Amino acid sequence: SQQGEEDPQALSIQEGENATMNCSYKTSINNLQWYRQNSGRGLVHLILIRSNEREKHSGRLRVTLDTSKKSSSLLITASRAADTASYFCATANYGGSQGNLIFGKGTKLSVKP
Amino acid sequence: KAGVTQTPRYLIKTRGQQVTLSCSPISGHRSVSWYQQTPGQGLQFLFEYFSETQRNKGNFPGRFSGRQFSNSRSEMNVSTLELGDSALYLCASSLYLGQTGELFFGEGSRLTVL
Repeated sequence: SQQGEEDPQALSIQEGENATMNCSYKTSINNLQWYRQNSGRGLVHLILIRSNEREKHSGRLRVTLDTSKKSSSLLITASRAADTASYFCATANYGGSQGNLIFGKGTKLSVKP
Repeated sequence: KAGVTQTPRYLIKTRGQQVTLSCSPISGHRSVSWYQQTPGQGLQFLFEYFSETQRNKGNFPGRFSGRQFSNSRSEMNVSTLELGDSALYLCASSLYLGQTGELFFGEGSRLTVL
């Protein structure tokens, strides 16, 4: 069953603009992770934020986590055409194991040059 | 360092047949997980192996099975294939069981059932 729900389902922006994707989840989590998937390929880990963290940065990525609202957002600044991909949030639930992540359905990002 | 390797990358089977997919994790990684990805259901957890033992299993019928070998390589098998089994099957490896951290995914095996 899906834990996370990403919003929006699809996002189209111009190169240089910022892209914001949101994720909501249902149960208590140990951490929340964001992954990227280029069309039909494997997933690539982007960033992990633990339940006791509120914000994390990695290069052009900024992730926030609000455990009281059970939501997270991923901001990609100064987007590039190469950022075109699907982005998934995934939660590692309390008491769960590392390999058992629960993924949302993803946001499909299209960055136009 | 080589990444996660999955074979075969593409395969076509007919209903009723069985299929075996293989996954070689990153060297030193002992935990291997399998996921099924379909347009309708998204990414769903199949099972997780650590030290040759299945540690977790998702909500899939018994036709889906797997195993892990002493070198941490893993295989999954789907018997009596159904049309709905058409999917991208992704394998992921990680260092430790119980330590929550990132997963490293392979490129996947795309199964088409006719």
